[in-house]
Amino acid sequence: QSALTQPASVSGSPGQSITISCTGTSSDVGSYNLVSWYQQHPGKAPKLMIYEVSKRPSGVSNRFSGSKSGNTASLTISGLQAEDEADYYCCSYAGSRVFGGGTKLTVL
Amino acid sequence: EVQLVESGGVVVQPGGSLRLSCAASGFTFDDYTMHWVRQAPGKGLEWVSLISWDGGSTYYADSVKGRFTISRDNSKNSLYLQMNSLRTEDTALYYCAKGYDLDYWGQGTLVTVSS
Repeated sequence: QSALTQPASVSGSPGQSITISCTGTSSDVGSYNLVSWYQQHPGKAPKLMIYEVSKRPSGVSNRFSGSKSGNTASLTISGLQAEDEADYYCCSYAGSRVFGGGTKLTVL
Repeated sequence: EVQLVESGGVVVQPGGSLRLSCAASGFTFDDYTMHWVRQAPGKGLEWVSLISWDGGSTYYADSVKGRFTISRDNSKNSLYLQMNSLRTEDTALYYCAKGYDLDYWGQGTLVTVSS
């Protein structure tokens, strides 16, 4: 049950696109199309943004998209907005569940 | 509207025990897997445990296996986490979350393990 690997921080300017990676192993990310992504603003509960690698829940902006290649999943945010500044976590099915260490997104 | 309300978090001494509760409303509780996830102060999310819709299957993180027990009472729309042999490293905000994809989360209840 080792944590998935995410960059500690990423940044981008308003209107730009950024991508956050989430690297696991052949036992978790690589074996299942069951990766989800969560957004967490300071002092708030996490919010589901992407599930099953690339599906968006109702109400989540289509500026958020997900993908996977091998043992690495990715979250892309296009047209960055100030309100996107938050922590982002990936999570994979692995029999149980395992989270990434989190990535702080700064909108410059 | 889906609502998850956690309770039971307090300050407890190392070695002590605690039971957390999560009251669910706004959805058919016994249709869904439920999870506990925790977040230590200033740290990331750590998955703790899950229980299947009927309570027949449970899973635990290695860090809590043998010390924590997850359970549910579908007649009361409630999820529980019994925490024994608590350690200082168990100090965290504990969230309950709904469903296979953890699509809704409560606001959390704070557990502090300190002497």
